[in-house]
Amino acid sequence: EPEVTQTPSHQVTQMGQEVILRCVPISNHLYFYWYRQILGQKVEFLVSFYNNEISEKSEIFDDQFSVERPDGSNFTLKIRSTKLEDSAMYFCASSEQSDTQYFGPGTRLTVL
Amino acid sequence: SQQGEEDPQALSIQEGENATMNCSYKTSINNLQWYRQNSGRGLVHLILIRSNEREKHSGRLRVTLDTSKKSSSLLITASRAADTASYFCATARMDSSYKLIFGSGTRLLVRP
Repeated sequence: EPEVTQTPSHQVTQMGQEVILRCVPISNHLYFYWYRQILGQKVEFLVSFYNNEISEKSEIFDDQFSVERPDGSNFTLKIRSTKLEDSAMYFCASSEQSDTQYFGPGTRLTVL
Repeated sequence: SQQGEEDPQALSIQEGENATMNCSYKTSINNLQWYRQNSGRGLVHLILIRSNEREKHSGRLRVTLDTSKKSSSLLITASRAADTASYFCATARMDSSYKLIFGSGTRLLVRP
């Protein structure tokens, strides 16, 4: 069964460094999303992406964040200058249409 | 405003018993989805119910949706120890990019 994959599974970085989190959505899906979950808290929406552009972003998704679909398979989330409070589990999700979203296993980001 | 709030926050039952979790939301929705998350792991999609549906079944899962009360319930019948996890409802609104808004979740413990 097709699944969303994410790499790396765990990323440790120093505050102020740039990180890129990678996702490979399910191949025939058209809608892509990033969410994050701070330890012990709710899953929060960051950004949605459709037709090669951002369709919606949350207040969390400020100028330090960007997304890209550099080729036909990858979907990346970049954090330009990480802060301690960016430490969280980051989930990528994709959907074929505006319905069921399938989530990847997540990348645990630890900012020291 | 909070969207997708579950109750109870925690539920402990004996194997073989049924588990019922409830979710309330505040705005009009396109669909409501239930997810399971094992500790520190990814989100597994369980079931989606659309706003024009009242009940759906999938194996041991039964989901109801009452749009007049803006609430949903997830029933797991004949629970197993492997059902131990956190369960989240997530709503997708019509006037958005179908981003999901998650609740705080119910932590279910099924005692063998």
